[in-house]
Amino acid sequence: DAGITQSPRYKITETGRQVTLMCHQTWSHSYMFWYRQDLGHGLRLIYYSAAADITDKGEVPDGYVVSRSKTENFPLTLESATRSQTSVYFCASSETRGETQYFGPGTRLLVL
Amino acid sequence: GENVEQHPSTLSVQEGDSAVIKCTYSDSASNYFPWYKQELGKRPQLIIDIRSNVGEKKDQRIAVTLNKTAKHFSLHITETQPEDSAVYFCAASTGFQKLVFGTGTRLLVSP
Repeated sequence: DAGITQSPRYKITETGRQVTLMCHQTWSHSYMFWYRQDLGHGLRLIYYSAAADITDKGEVPDGYVVSRSKTENFPLTLESATRSQTSVYFCASSETRGETQYFGPGTRLLVL
Repeated sequence: GENVEQHPSTLSVQEGDSAVIKCTYSDSASNYFPWYKQELGKRPQLIIDIRSNVGEKKDQRIAVTLNKTAKHFSLHITETQPEDSAVYFCAASTGFQKLVFGTGTRLLVSP
């Protein structure tokens, strides 16, 4: 578990501001994922990446942007934060597309 | 694509009782079924998984069963303890597609 980290762990921002959440893994896993977790909705996939420079949308991508210039990093950017994006964000990684995913510790984001 | 349904959404048991959480999946090609436990304020963590060539797998007080014909799999926790209280997620994958998660079951074990 120590192989995947997220920063910051807590973030408070205001509506309209740009926010970037960082995710870093040391396993050299090909796949990385971003989820948001809200009460009553379980884990919802925002974006995922199969390798450096390859990304694809999940079920709730609107309002988010991702990039993956290096295998170990997968930042998630909220270009103009909205209150509805208040959530807990988890990054995860896996060796292959359909195998076990290992989750980071999460980032709690509050948008005022 | 794959769809995973999980029941119940909440489950309350007395310490020492057994708990069973059930999931159904839609894609008959799915062959990998992990279970995750998420304690309050923590990350989801893998607790057990099963592949389609196995009908049952046990790890101490935890077991998972798979019925490929009915396309459902279940998590069984015996002799529950207060530290088993958490949210449990099931998931399914064909191996070629990413994991699809269930909506979670909140298990509460009362002393």
